[in-house]
Amino acid sequence: GQNIDQPTEMTATEGAIVQINCTYQTSGFNGLFWYQQHAGEAPTFLSYNVLDGLEEKGRFSSFLSRSKGYSYLLLKELQMKDSASYLCAVRGTNDYKLSFGAGTTVTVRA
Amino acid sequence: SQTIHQWPATLVQPVGSPLSLECTVEGTSNPNLYWYRQAAGRGLQLLFYSVGIGQISSEVPQNLSASRPQDRQFILSSKKLLLSDSGFYLCAWRETGSRETQYFGPGTRLLVL
Repeated sequence: GQNIDQPTEMTATEGAIVQINCTYQTSGFNGLFWYQQHAGEAPTFLSYNVLDGLEEKGRFSSFLSRSKGYSYLLLKELQMKDSASYLCAVRGTNDYKLSFGAGTTVTVRA
Repeated sequence: SQTIHQWPATLVQPVGSPLSLECTVEGTSNPNLYWYRQAAGRGLQLLFYSVGIGQISSEVPQNLSASRPQDRQFILSSKKLLLSDSGFYLCAWRETGSRETQYFGPGTRLLVL
């Protein structure tokens, strides 16, 4: 089976940095994805990691350690528009499917 | 470029009524297609996926079914809705043979009363 854990909620101040952790236990591993989902909207793709290390995309970075079953999404220079739910998803043995965590709701305060 | 459409955007249905949600993808051929449900405050639950016309894999046994009558059309149905079927239904697609991400449609918000 698949087990993906992330914190339920996080709060941070505008301009600050927030790190959202994701731990997973899955049947096989073929990649980890992060999505952003604003309230009432569909998820949008943020990042993809398949090898260990850090992937940077502007203000957002994602890190993966396959041996530890661990990833994090780092959001820098937080803006009010970054208030959203962030979903961690893992592709396991079945190449067609993604298993999603419950999501982390990030609230950015002025 | 590719686009994905879902309709209707919002639906309110009585318990026991039938359901048909439609998803279409433009700008690609033979995509992998997916139906997810997201209950309020919950994560995404994969319901069905399809790798080709007429090929449906069911992930969660329940009173829902899916069909893929055309290459870029994916339909989610129910003969009799339950209260627990309320939620946000998302269709997604992925390029066939690709290891890239899935891309989501705008979703259908279903409320069963």
